[in-house]
Parts: sequence; structure tokens; C-alpha cells
Amino acid sequence: SQQGEEDPQALSIQEGENATMNCSYKTSINNLQWYRQNSGRGLVHLILIRSNEREKHSGRLRVTLDTSKKSSSLLITASRAADTASYFCATDASGSGAGSYQLTFGKGTKLSVIP
Amino acid sequence: DVKVTQSSRYLVKRTGEKVFLECVQDMDHENMFWYRQDPGLGLRLIYFSYDVKMKEKGDIPEGYSVSREKKERFSLILESASTNQTSMYLCASSFFFFIQGASSATNEKLFFGSGTQLSVL
Repeated sequence: SQQGEEDPQALSIQEGENATMNCSYKTSINNLQWYRQNSGRGLVHLILIRSNEREKHSGRLRVTLDTSKKSSSLLITASRAADTASYFCATDASGSGAGSYQLTFGKGTKLSVIP
Repeated sequence: DVKVTQSSRYLVKRTGEKVFLECVQDMDHENMFWYRQDPGLGLRLIYFSYDVKMKEKGDIPEGYSVSREKKERFSLILESASTNQTSMYLCASSFFFFIQGASSATNEKLFFGSGTQLSVL
């Protein structure tokens, strides 16, 4: 099955700076989602962008999607120490059948925001 | 507040034991999922279910089975636990989103439980 790949694997920034994480995937999708995971906990949904959308905002989060390049980016502006977590992108597979129900996650970007 | 509840936060079992991991959601979601998460490997899908009594294999179903007798409950079963099944297990659920103009559906956002850290000794 296809899998999103996040880049970089780890990112360390100072509080107040912006953080950008990228995700690449292999085949056509219906939507792409970003999740956050605090250490040892379950994942929390951040934002969903559909294949016919190019950009989406939610608070300090900005997500872009470029289906021609099969890539997405997550920008966190004015980062805070509380943003320290792992961030994952997840994709489905467009078309009919069970593949479109299956959400496949990348390995994540570990973000550290230093106070 | 919406909730996905996993029966145990930590679990320690012996090799060869039959292990049940339970997951309950209170949002009337059609879809439910079991993932395992290992360092350096990310989340990998074990099984998912899009309806009661329906199940589909994910990427790594070997050594696992599932049961969905009621819409709100999705159980993961390790028939004979082995040490390589030591992992964090995450349950999730979601609604369908029916794709306009297409004969297919995909997932809305997933809601995750807090996870079960299983150690098999």
C-alpha cells in the first residue's frame, strides 16, 4: 500500500519561529490528513485537505497540497513549546474498493520547540 | 465529548497467551481501525472494519484477528502472543465521506484512543 513520507525526520526550532514539515506520497488520493501525537499518546487530528483543495488554514496551521507533485506541507507559525510533538501525514488511495477506506500513515516528523 | 476508549493503557503478557485488546467508540462511526506503532516504523495498519461483522486486512494482519459484533466495539485478538508483537496498539474510528460523482467513499478524520502499550515476555 502507498505511504506518505514526512520530511524532515526531526526538526528543532526556537519558540516563536515557524516550523515546516513536508509529506510526499506515491499514488492518487482523495484526501490528505495531518495528525499530531504527544509522546506515548494517541494521535489527534489537525487538518484534512481534499484532493481538489490547494490550501487550508486552521489557527496557526497552514496546509498546502500539490497533487501534481504528490506532496503536502504543514506550516506551524509562531511555534510554542507546547507544539513539541510528532506530526504525521496520512493518505487514502483514490478509486473504489477497500483501498479508499484505508488510511496509511508516514513515519512522522519529530518537532522540538525550545523555549 | 467524543471518545474512543481502549480497555488497557499497559498490558504485560506471556509468550503463547491469547490476548484481547478492546476498543469502544461512542460516536456511531462506521469505520474502525487497529494500528500498531513501533519506533522507526511509524503506524502500520493491522485490520479495519467498515461495518458490523465486516473486516479487511491491513498491511500486517499475520498473527492477529479481529471481531466486530457491535458497531461500537472492535476487538483485536492475538491468538498466540509472541515477543515480536510487543508494541503500542492504537484503535481509531471515523465516518465515511462519500465522494461526489464517484462510486466510492473515504474516511473523514480519525479519532484515536490513548493506546495500549503491550509487552510480551
